[in-house]
Amino acid sequence: DAKTTQPNSMESNEEEPVHLPCNHSTISGTDYIHWYRQLPSQGPEYVIHGLTSNVNNRMASLAIAEDRKSSTLILHRATLRDAAVYYCIPYNDYKLSFGAGTTVTVRA
Amino acid sequence: DTAVSQTPKYLVTQMGNDKSIKCEQNLGHDTMYWYKQDSKKFLKIMFSYNNKELIINETVPNRFSPKSPDKAHLNLHINSLELGDSAVYFCASSQDLGADGYTFGSGTRLTVV
Repeated sequence: DAKTTQPNSMESNEEEPVHLPCNHSTISGTDYIHWYRQLPSQGPEYVIHGLTSNVNNRMASLAIAEDRKSSTLILHRATLRDAAVYYCIPYNDYKLSFGAGTTVTVRA
Repeated sequence: DTAVSQTPKYLVTQMGNDKSIKCEQNLGHDTMYWYKQDSKKFLKIMFSYNNKELIINETVPNRFSPKSPDKAHLNLHINSLELGDSAVYFCASSQDLGADGYTFGSGTRLTVV
């Protein structure tokens, strides 16, 4: 499995953007990069995924480095409801293997 | 309608008992999964079924047995429960083995006393 490295925690102010980095230097060329988040006492929730191009959806944007060894999840305007653990996961061998993730705290 | 629903939500039982957790999805997906999240909050995949066929079977004690009666259901039966089995168990589903993402249930908190 490809290994990922994410900061343990990040803080943000409400209404400000949040940039969550992830290193995945051992990712293979065909592994999609998935991002999930887990709010307190809930199951993980799909956020976004991509392969090479940057991706946008209603929740977030995903910027993928040209060499694919890193990516950044961008929450454009953080709200209190975005406080969660965010996981960056290369999808391979037909499964998602979760790491420790980044705990995001949003200050009002 | 809940997309992926698990029952029960909470389960407290004694060591040595046998228990089952049920999962149902109404998304029309063909792949279902069981994950375990322990007290340290790490999520680990246990099993995966695609069209009722077992495709992922991680290193899990054989006291754990999944059963998929149809594509919409994946149940988890646990024999001879141990204290270390206490965790939150999440069911998930996806289409086509999950490359486009999983949908998770809200979890079953199992406490073994």
